Amino acid sequence: QSALTQPASVSGSPGQSTTISCTGTSSDVGGYNYVSWYQQHPGKAPKLVIYDVSNRPSGVSNRFSGSKSANTASLTISGLQAEDEADYYCSSYTSSGTRVFGGGTKLTVL
Amino acid sequence: QVQLQESGPGLVKPSETLSLTCTVSGGSFSSFYWSWIRQPPGKGLEWIGYIYNSGSTNYNPSLKSRVGTSIDTTRKQFSLNLRSVTAADTAVYYCAGSTVGAKTFDYWGQGTLVTVSS
Repeated sequence: QSALTQPASVSGSPGQSTTISCTGTSSDVGGYNYVSWYQQHPGKAPKLVIYDVSNRPSGVSNRFSGSKSANTASLTISGLQAEDEADYYCSSYTSSGTRVFGGGTKLTVL
Repeated sequence: QVQLQESGPGLVKPSETLSLTCTVSGGSFSSFYWSWIRQPPGKGLEWIGYIYNSGSTNYNPSLKSRVGTSIDTTRKQFSLNLRSVTAADTAVYYCAGSTVGAKTFDYWGQGTLVTVSS
């Protein structure tokens, strides 16, 4: 299985919005509504911020939202704050029942 | 609240077997799928595989020939064995839990760095 494709980096100014894409195939992202997103700060374990394409776990800011179109899922962070600066990874369920991650995107808050 | 803690050697010699254990506290151990995920230094996450308390497993095809997992429901532990390691297996190894029926990694351990070197 191949890793999902994410941009290596994105950036935005405080208060702005930014979107991170995650492209897969019809055997993973496009075939199921099981895309999740994880936030990882340096030296820390990843933290779930979006599950099942667009759902937020309890305690996650509503500034985080997710969507999907065909084989591409997206994570949008609105009202950027300094604390949002981190690496973000998408993950998808696959037709083999396995899981696959994206390569990760570094978000810089300018 | 479910908590996970990885344990095992931080240094493994090339060609040997990497062995790690994850100990779970809190929650219902039988209500989760238990995964191993790794992250080479400065690189992205890679899913290794999962095990369920029934013993059923599923592994990343790229690692399947070298991976083995086991589970001890009495001790609330699950383990990873990765055979014939090379320097490319140097990584932070995380254990993670997924609620049965969910396709997300809901709970994570803090991670443990394993270095493959002679």
